[in-house]
Amino acid sequence: DTEVTQTPKHLVMGMTNKKSLKCEQHMGHRAMYWYKQKAKKPPELMFVYSYEKLSINESVPSRFSPECPNSSLLNLHLHALQPEDSALYLCASSQESLAGGYTDTQYFGPGTRLTVL
Amino acid sequence: TQLLEQSPQFLSIQEGENLTVYCNSSSVFSSLQWYRQEPGEGPVLLVTVVTGGEVKKLKRLTFQFGDARKDSSLHITAAQPGDTGLYLCAGPVSGTYKYIFGTGTRLKVLA
Repeated sequence: DTEVTQTPKHLVMGMTNKKSLKCEQHMGHRAMYWYKQKAKKPPELMFVYSYEKLSINESVPSRFSPECPNSSLLNLHLHALQPEDSALYLCASSQESLAGGYTDTQYFGPGTRLTVL
Repeated sequence: TQLLEQSPQFLSIQEGENLTVYCNSSSVFSSLQWYRQEPGEGPVLLVTVVTGGEVKKLKRLTFQFGDARKDSSLHITAAQPGDTGLYLCAGPVSGTYKYIFGTGTRLKVLA
């Protein structure tokens, strides 16, 4: 099973709303990722969790707040977003590479299409 | 800084034609992955190549990893409309949990 699930599939929110995106994987992967993807562009890394600890924050604005409650779950809490934050948000997970400690093949979820009004 | 350049950026071909997409870097990668992505969906993994010179086949798709592990190619034989999509190469940044993506190739196969 190489499945990563994401909910919701679509989300429309106002600039004053608080919402959360959820991601789940049961592959035993210890690294989990959030990406943002704008139309016709490659995904851009936002956050990396390794062994449930935040490993990388790519200078993401504080209105995005990640959380890793356990090794299978990853959340992205959203608050006071701007219209330019509208995008496809992708979750991914990976094992450590054979070299140890670093990422190998990443498996992506279907994404959440976020629209900020 | 590790970068992945893909070419061509766009490709529009007739059903039944063959095509090759290239993914090039000046850096060595421990592995490279190829994904296909449809609009509004997440990237779907097609293949991982690990060994320099490796060739992998997935039905009508043939993937090759360069001998020096700096480049890769994807060849599609007898393209079909179902092959339409965005093709992305990607690979791990050495010594980190980061993963970089190529610039993408948007393929359209016309019936």
